[in-house]
Amino acid sequence: SQTIHQWPATLVQPVGSPLSLECTVEGTSNPNLYWYRQAAGRGLQLLFYSVGIGQISSEVPQNLSASRPQDRQFILSSKKLLLSDSGFYLCAWSGDSHNEKLFFGSGTQLSVL
Amino acid sequence: AQSVTQLDSHVSVSEGTPVLLRCNYSSSYSPSLFWYVQHPNKGLQLLLKYTSAATLVKGINGFEAEFKKSETSFHLTKPSAHMSDAAEYFCVVSRGGTYKYIFGTGTRLKVLA
Repeated sequence: SQTIHQWPATLVQPVGSPLSLECTVEGTSNPNLYWYRQAAGRGLQLLFYSVGIGQISSEVPQNLSASRPQDRQFILSSKKLLLSDSGFYLCAWSGDSHNEKLFFGSGTQLSVL
Repeated sequence: AQSVTQLDSHVSVSEGTPVLLRCNYSSSYSPSLFWYVQHPNKGLQLLLKYTSAATLVKGINGFEAEFKKSETSFHLTKPSAHMSDAAEYFCVVSRGGTYKYIFGTGTRLKVLA
């Protein structure tokens, strides 16, 4: 069966420090991968999605970047965190057919202080 | 571009009474529409999805939603609320042929005893 792993679960970082959040999927190949940020009252904001290795689509101009170095690995990064980067980050995957169900990781609560 | 509007940020109902969570969508193409539920401290779970088949879609836990193209709506209903339905609900749209899933801002459902 397919599983999605996301880590760390919580992270406290100072302003200006770098960030690396990792997400891996097991039990499937060529998944579509997604990074969302969840903020109270704002729902889930799509940050990045990827349909293949090295293919990244950015939805919101911001201080973050994403990379997909392997088929089932998706990384969210920042060179210098801002206070406004605080939030709950969710990784998700779906099959490579259109309009499929999203499977979510357990999320990372990031606090930038 | 696709978007969804969840008309109510909070809904309160008494146990045993009907539930109505409203969602309007905007899409230039035939959309696929989804409802997800997020219980406190738990991950997101798919309730149901519409992908241009029957306009009345039945989901898990007694929920259903009706796609109304003329009203650009996809409201979620349940005949009788249960305490365990208390959660946050998200309406999601994706455009046919894309891999982008756009979430609404969410509706927090409270069920009163």
